[in-house]
Amino acid sequence: RKEVEQDPGPFNVPEGATVAFNCTYSNSASQSFFWYRQDCRKEPKLLMSVYSSGNEDGRFTAQLNRASQYISLLIRDSKLSDSATYLCADGTGANSKLTFGKGITLSVRP
Amino acid sequence: GAVVSQHPSRVICKSGTSVKIECRSLDFQATTMFWYRQFPKQSLMLMATSNEGSKATYEQGVEKDKFLINHASLTLSTLTVTSAHPEDSSFYICSALKGGPSIYEQYFGPGTRLTVT
Repeated sequence: RKEVEQDPGPFNVPEGATVAFNCTYSNSASQSFFWYRQDCRKEPKLLMSVYSSGNEDGRFTAQLNRASQYISLLIRDSKLSDSATYLCADGTGANSKLTFGKGITLSVRP
Repeated sequence: GAVVSQHPSRVICKSGTSVKIECRSLDFQATTMFWYRQFPKQSLMLMATSNEGSKATYEQGVEKDKFLINHASLTLSTLTVTSAHPEDSSFYICSALKGGPSIYEQYFGPGTRLTVT
């Protein structure tokens, strides 16, 4: 079983839509999680860190469900510029190394 | 946030030559840095963990004699791909760990696109 699993999508939504991504993790002892955004042929950029039950930043909300071992990312009022690949990561490895999911590709259409 | 730079951004080399990639944390000190490789349409694969002043820790299947890592200062780690072959062509990305003592975040450099001909 993979340590971090994401629904590969892709997701194709109209502007203004609300979209949610889920990511499951296998290590019940994991304490820290992250959502990164990666544009085509670019490096991942940290979007949100999740250490407790959740985190909110503008249109973005990340939630952690420890009982079911998943984290989610909710994007409200989608913009064209939100089109990218979204990677979740478990940051509980040795030396805080990250275990990434495969990424979810989001396309926001006009 | 935090700023991490990588140099060069793109390199084309001939098979059999060695290539050195530099990763620098510009506005913070990083005891730990990481090196990843990403092939097209695939996720990031961790190659090794680079610790300042000590030997790097390599992930399973990554040849330490082929991918030499040096982390001589708190702001610089280098990855040298020795005797490069076409199958080493990939997007190499470093990250630097910022934070502590209990909360850490990884910030990525812009990546180096290596093409071996």
